[in-house]
Amino acid sequence: AQSVTQPDIHITVSEGASLELRCNYSYGATPYLFWYVQSPGQGLQLLLKYFSGDTLVQGIKGFEAEFKRSQSSFNLRKPSVHWSDAAEYFCAVSTDSWGKLQFGAGTQVVVTP
Amino acid sequence: EAQVTQNPRYLITVTGKKLTVTCSQNMNHEYMSWYRQDPGLGLRQIYYSMNVEVTDKGDVPEGYKVSRKEKRNFPLILESPSPNQTSLYFCASNFRLGADTQYFGPGTRLTVL
Repeated sequence: AQSVTQPDIHITVSEGASLELRCNYSYGATPYLFWYVQSPGQGLQLLLKYFSGDTLVQGIKGFEAEFKRSQSSFNLRKPSVHWSDAAEYFCAVSTDSWGKLQFGAGTQVVVTP
Repeated sequence: EAQVTQNPRYLITVTGKKLTVTCSQNMNHEYMSWYRQDPGLGLRQIYYSMNVEVTDKGDVPEGYKVSRKEKRNFPLILESPSPNQTSLYFCASNFRLGADTQYFGPGTRLTVL
């Protein structure tokens, strides 16, 4: 069955430390890949996306993600976390060119001083 | 400004009282969809529409109806709401995904007592 897995439900990181959020998918073909962020009480904001081409994708707010076909992964990274990065992060994939997104369960990121 | 709007943003209702959540986009997008967000489950697609008068079920359509009479509007209808429909609802729209990304509305928090 098709699925998107975010193995970490909750991550705590110190301000200034690096952050990596994991995302694995199970699909027959290479899907379109996305990372969204949801700040408390807010809607969803697109951080970055991968459709094709360079497997290292740069996004907003200093985030990047790397697509690894062999591992069916699309992990999100940030070299130095800021307190404002505390939020819930969702990985999403789509295998159709229209728009149905399959979301992971989300990873809650807490940033400590 | 390109945007997806939803109304109301917050709604508390009682079991069985019909309600409609409106969604409108100003980007002339063909594809529109509704998601619900529940803790630990991420976002799940309820219904989608590829164009006017073309709608289809997503992953969790039970208890919901939609219509697409105009390209810009895609209302979500709960004919007889039940407590298990208490959730955060997002409307989204996009052109064909390969050429664009999906834009999300601000969300509607629904509580059914």
